Amino acid sequence: SAVISQKPSRDICQRGTSLTIQCQVDSQVTMMFWYRQQPGQSLTLIATANQGSEATYESGFVIDKFPISRPNLTFSTLTVSNMSPEDSSIYLCSAGGQYNEQFFGPGTRLTVL
Amino acid sequence: SQQGEEDPQALSIQEGENATMNCSYKTSINNLQWYRQNSGRGLVHLILIRSNEREKHSGRLRVTLDTSKKSSSLLITASRAADTASYFCARADSWGKLQFGAGTQVVVTP
Repeated sequence: SAVISQKPSRDICQRGTSLTIQCQVDSQVTMMFWYRQQPGQSLTLIATANQGSEATYESGFVIDKFPISRPNLTFSTLTVSNMSPEDSSIYLCSAGGQYNEQFFGPGTRLTVL
Repeated sequence: SQQGEEDPQALSIQEGENATMNCSYKTSINNLQWYRQNSGRGLVHLILIRSNEREKHSGRLRVTLDTSKKSSSLLITASRAADTASYFCARADSWGKLQFGAGTQVVVTP
């Protein structure tokens, strides 16, 4: 199984600022994804992080708000831009094969004041 | 949007009892994966069951899949206080993208 780390583990930010979350996998993986978990809710897919090309976003999520990079097969970043209190959530990255188990990082707990 | 529904939403049992939770989905799947989450922390992968499989076991966990009914169940046998957590099913499409159910909160009391 892949071991996934995220940085930072938590942050408190002011509205209007941006935060970049890093996700590192201990082995090369085909697929990497970013999810959001709002307080008391289940997980919602934000986007698929594609290596070497633009991310593929789900309905309701746009690149200007959540720019994503994936420069190689083990690393990805998610930026939450121009934050508002509604962006307060846990952000999780996941990684795995297209048809195999998908493992999750520990999450980044974001609070926007 | 969430494509899976889980029931019950909450389950309270005593140690030693079995816990069963169900997951339904609406569209075809490549596989279905079950996860556990403790107190808003990261997700722990429990079991993956593929669309051509009907049952899988892992320790005290048993997962079944009925593709004709578009449903799956997770059984935890001989539950322990440490099993207290939220359990999620997640449907995987052919691209590997997961769509999660609402989750079942399980509380196991000593």
